[in-house]
Amino acid sequence: QQQVKQSPQSLIVQKGGIPIINCAYENTAFDYFPWYQQFPGKGPALLIAIRPDVSEKKEGRFTISFNKSAKQFSLHIMDSQPGDSATYFCAASRGAQKLVFGQGTRLTINP
Amino acid sequence: ETGVTQTPRHLVMGMTNKKSLKCEQHLGHNAMYWYKQSAKKPLELMFVYNFKEQTENNSVPSRFSPECPNSSHLFLHLHTLQPEDSALYLCASSQTTEREQFFGPGTRLTVL
Repeated sequence: QQQVKQSPQSLIVQKGGIPIINCAYENTAFDYFPWYQQFPGKGPALLIAIRPDVSEKKEGRFTISFNKSAKQFSLHIMDSQPGDSATYFCAASRGAQKLVFGQGTRLTINP
Repeated sequence: ETGVTQTPRHLVMGMTNKKSLKCEQHLGHNAMYWYKQSAKKPLELMFVYNFKEQTENNSVPSRFSPECPNSSHLFLHLHTLQPEDSALYLCASSQTTEREQFFGPGTRLTVL
């Protein structure tokens, strides 16, 4: 019940395309769903987060879509750029303390 | 940078050595965390400290011993580690345990 399942493990998209990364959770007590971006040699950095009272949140080119009934949420990157190439992690928690992370998606944006 | 620093950035140690990892946050946060990031596994929460008090120990073996002398500093003392403990150890902090976490760059640990 504590798991967060993330897919795909890796993704290659052409510049300008819209990569989509999906996550599914089981614990209905989770109420905080962040996405983190990690570049090689760096720690994860918070990208965007959503609470379950909204179905979508946008920040710049990044959008989270949230489906409470399906217990799924996804990250969309509009007009993707080579600089977006990184590993992306979804996470979930009750409050923000005990984050449970997905396995990560290695995203490559080709020029 | 995130305001969370970790030293050393790389560490190689033998199974009989004793070493310590250090984390310092310059953000005025009250909660600090240790995570383990292994290849092909999700980030694993190890310990949580809130106002210097340990509030979470996620079934971590006793060969890992955390210490939080104040809200700005967090240590992870290591002794008699195993090769499978080789990983990236990440420190994070947050204003409270209900707010978003900011990660340091990590210490890449190799146990020979």
